[in-house]
Amino acid sequence: DSGVTQTPKHLITATGQRVTLRCSPRSGDLSVYWYQQSLDQGLQFLIQYYNGEERAKGNILERFSAQQFPDLHSELNLSSLELGDSALYFCASSVGNQVLDGGELFFGEGSRLTVL
Amino acid sequence: DQQVKQNSPSLSVQEGRISILNCDYTNSMFDYFLWYKKYPAEGPTFLISISSIKDKNEDGRFTVFLNKSAKHLSLHIVPSQPGDSAVYFCAPFSSGSARQLTFGSGTQLTVLP
Repeated sequence: DSGVTQTPKHLITATGQRVTLRCSPRSGDLSVYWYQQSLDQGLQFLIQYYNGEERAKGNILERFSAQQFPDLHSELNLSSLELGDSALYFCASSVGNQVLDGGELFFGEGSRLTVL
Repeated sequence: DQQVKQNSPSLSVQEGRISILNCDYTNSMFDYFLWYKKYPAEGPTFLISISSIKDKNEDGRFTVFLNKSAKHLSLHIVPSQPGDSAVYFCAPFSSGSARQLTFGSGTQLTVLP
């Protein structure tokens, strides 16, 4: 158990819909990262928040947005969903603002989104 | 633009033998290299790392080798155990912009009893 909690674990929805994925970081961790893993691909970095502020952006579509709340939990909002958005979405957390040489990001179990 | 490549999607090894997982990268700015392990229905977990000032780092049965000139790293597991069966991702990053990891596509290791 990494201490990072993601909900829901599974989600099935239709094209054009909007969903929200939720992440609670490990206690004491200030950074939250979102990653997307599509079929047979590596994890693609989407976005990072640190203590409520956006700190880094990766290949995140304009249809996607995220935020980190004062209690440090984060939500990833996916809208106007397309078939290609079907993927595993992972949240990870770390104490600091950046990946240190210890390299440890703590990942949740992921939210599997299926768009039909 | 794939900055990190793990060209072997899968690898099968007999229990007790050596497992060698490879990773190639193109970005010369990467100076830290991480390996993560992922079991089904779980998130990735950190396994071992190496910085660019070293060419080898060992932790128990796991050793990572780095060849900077070839932009290649490898993870050796000796002896391999059935519990090592998982997907292994290499994930380098640049300390100059250390806000994201770039993951390879992963190698599924199966250790046969």
